[in-house]
Amino acid sequence: GQNIDQPTEMTATEGAIVQINCTYQTSGFNGLFWYQQHAGEAPTFLSYNVLDGLEEKGRFSSFLSRSKGYSYLLLKELQMKDSASYLCAVRGYSGAGSYQLTFGKGTKLSVIP
Amino acid sequence: DTAVSQTPKYLVTQMGNDKSIKCEQNLGHDTMYWYKQDSKKFLKIMFSYNNKELIINETVPNRFSPKSPDKAHLNLHINSLELGDSAVYFCASSQRVTLTGSTTSYGYTFGSGTRLTVV
Repeated sequence: GQNIDQPTEMTATEGAIVQINCTYQTSGFNGLFWYQQHAGEAPTFLSYNVLDGLEEKGRFSSFLSRSKGYSYLLLKELQMKDSASYLCAVRGYSGAGSYQLTFGKGTKLSVIP
Repeated sequence: DTAVSQTPKYLVTQMGNDKSIKCEQNLGHDTMYWYKQDSKKFLKIMFSYNNKELIINETVPNRFSPKSPDKAHLNLHINSLELGDSAVYFCASSQRVTLTGSTTSYGYTFGSGTRLTVV
C-alpha cells in the first residue's frame, strides 16, 4: 500500500517563500508529482521528480529524496493567486504490471497581503 | 480543444436513483481513471482502466461500475445512489506506465469534475 503525509494547512505572506513538505511510503516507487488545485477546479500538474534532487520551474521548485521518502514543493515570490491546495502524489506499483498515482490529502495554502 | 471533458458538471438526484457521468479524452492516452474527492478534499482513486484491464480500488462499492465503449471514453455508472455518494468525481487520463516501460513524467490530466449531490 501507499501512505502519503503532508500538512493540512499553511499560511504565508505575499512575496515570501513557502515550503510544503510531503513524506511517503510506497512499494515500487516510480515518481512523485505535485499538483495545484484551486477551489472548485480540477487539479493541474506542477512538477515531477523521479531522481533525487531539485527540479526548478520558474517560481516553483520541487525536491525529492528517495532514501528518506521525502519531497517538498517550494514556492517563491508568493502571489495571491497561489492560494490553493497543493497535492503531493506518488506513483507506485499497483499490481498487474502497471503503476498508479495515489494522492495525499493536500495542503491548503492561504496567501495573505 | 478540451483535453479531458466530463458531463454533467453538476448533478443533483434523489437517493435510490441510478445515474451516469460521462468522460471523454482527446489526448490519445491509453489509460483512464475515476477519482472521488470528498468534502475534506481527499482525492481517492476509484478505478483505472485501459483496453486490457480494469483495476478497482477494493474500497469502492459494487454499485459503482465503469463502462468504456472505446479507449477515449470511460463513463461512471452508479446504482442505488446513497447520501454518502455526494462528492466531486474527477475523470483523468494518462499514458500507462508499465514494468517494462521507461520511467517518464506521465502525469495525469484531469477533467473539470462533476459535483454530485444526493438528496
